[in-house]
Amino acid sequence: QVQLQESGPGLVKPSETLSLTCTVSGGSISSYYWSWIRQPPGKGLEWIGYIYYSGSTNYNPSLKSRVTISVDTSKNQFSLKLSSVTAADTAVYYCARYSNYDILTGYYTRFFDYWGQGTLVTVSS
Amino acid sequence: QSALTQPRSVSGSPGQSVTISCTGTSSDVGGYNYVSWYQQHPGKAPKLMIYDVSKRPSGVPDRFSGSKSGNTASLTISGLQAEDEADYYCCSYAGSYTQVFGGGTKLTVL
Repeated sequence: QVQLQESGPGLVKPSETLSLTCTVSGGSISSYYWSWIRQPPGKGLEWIGYIYYSGSTNYNPSLKSRVTISVDTSKNQFSLKLSSVTAADTAVYYCARYSNYDILTGYYTRFFDYWGQGTLVTVSS
Repeated sequence: QSALTQPRSVSGSPGQSVTISCTGTSSDVGGYNYVSWYQQHPGKAPKLMIYDVSKRPSGVPDRFSGSKSGNTASLTISGLQAEDEADYYCCSYAGSYTQVFGGGTKLTVL
């Protein structure tokens, strides 16, 4: 069973860079896409972006200028950096596996099947 | 890229059926058969309930079903149970390798 666990500082100062890491266990990070999704308190989910194990990335256009997602296959980890944060970036940040190909059927697909428990990051001085 | 539109809340009594709508555009919901639905209980991570519009992952009860017509996708829960009370989010592929979520719907089981 694939498991994901987010880690990183729970408090970040305004204008600084938010950094989180997601550790994948129970399976290899290879051959899949891996994503970050966030949820401000009391609000809905927002897709941030994802990375393929090879390193190729795609980001939410509204966050693209501030986001960097990277992968370390040797550690089975991928990471998120969000620069120039403000109070609006306060949220629970989830990492998730993104499936885009169903091996059993041979068809393309798009969904998030495994999620981490989430970690709250507060932006405050 | 705007969030998909969902009703803020829906409700139903145990045993009844409820339907949650998810409206997008021809650039997301209407353009691809890649709509997924997630259930989120308070303080928990979202859980995949439906993918590719109408497919159910292993372990999800067949009381949950999905469909799509034009730019609107729907999640129907039949035979409502108390444990179904949660927030539900739709999500669609939006082209150019991007995804967009709906604003979420709070389901109350009366």
